[in-house]
Amino acid sequence: AQSVTQLDSQVPVFEEAPVELRCNYSSSVSVYLFWYVQYPNQGLQLLLKYLSGSTLVESINGFEAEFNKSQTSFHLRKPSVHISDTAEYFCAVLKDTGRRALTFGSGTRLQVQP
Amino acid sequence: KAGVTQTPRYLIKTRGQQVTLSCSPISGHRSVSWYQQTPGQGLQFLFEYFSETQRNKGNFPGRFSGRQFSNSRSEMNVSTLELGDSALYLCASSADSPSGNTIYFGEGSWLTVV
Repeated sequence: AQSVTQLDSQVPVFEEAPVELRCNYSSSVSVYLFWYVQYPNQGLQLLLKYLSGSTLVESINGFEAEFNKSQTSFHLRKPSVHISDTAEYFCAVLKDTGRRALTFGSGTRLQVQP
Repeated sequence: KAGVTQTPRYLIKTRGQQVTLSCSPISGHRSVSWYQQTPGQGLQFLFEYFSETQRNKGNFPGRFSGRQFSNSRSEMNVSTLELGDSALYLCASSADSPSGNTIYFGEGSWLTVV
């Protein structure tokens, strides 16, 4: 079975500072990797994904994540955060079996302070 | 095109009752899956349906059930509700193609059991 570890439950950061949210996974089979964001009282929004190809993936709002197979990591980074980035971020893996069952990490609450 | 639509958004039920939640996937998506989100257990996979057949099931008691219709719309049912069933229930859909490894979520149904 696969598992996902998000090493930080909360990350406070000042506006315009860089941030990294860490995600490590374990799996005996190939996986696809995702980051989802959840704003208060809302569902999950797909932020970015790694399916294949370039190990560095980017979102339209400035986030990026790099798939590191040797370290089994998929850390999320942003060089300069905004107040509006305050949300909960979930890392998730999907086994390459054709069955759609995501395994989620426990989430990291990003708190951007002015 | 429209995203994943879930109804109702909010509901309150009494212990012992049963509840049915509905989900309409993104047009053209044939895989529908359900997740439960609670503060204590985080995001957990309930089950996945594809072409009206349950293809994958998480570790939940038999009180939790679901079905999928020929138009890919899905419902999940929880019988004999317990206080611990209070949660955000999220529906997700994905396509039946190589890009189908991307899973999109709805806004969720907030269930409170009193």
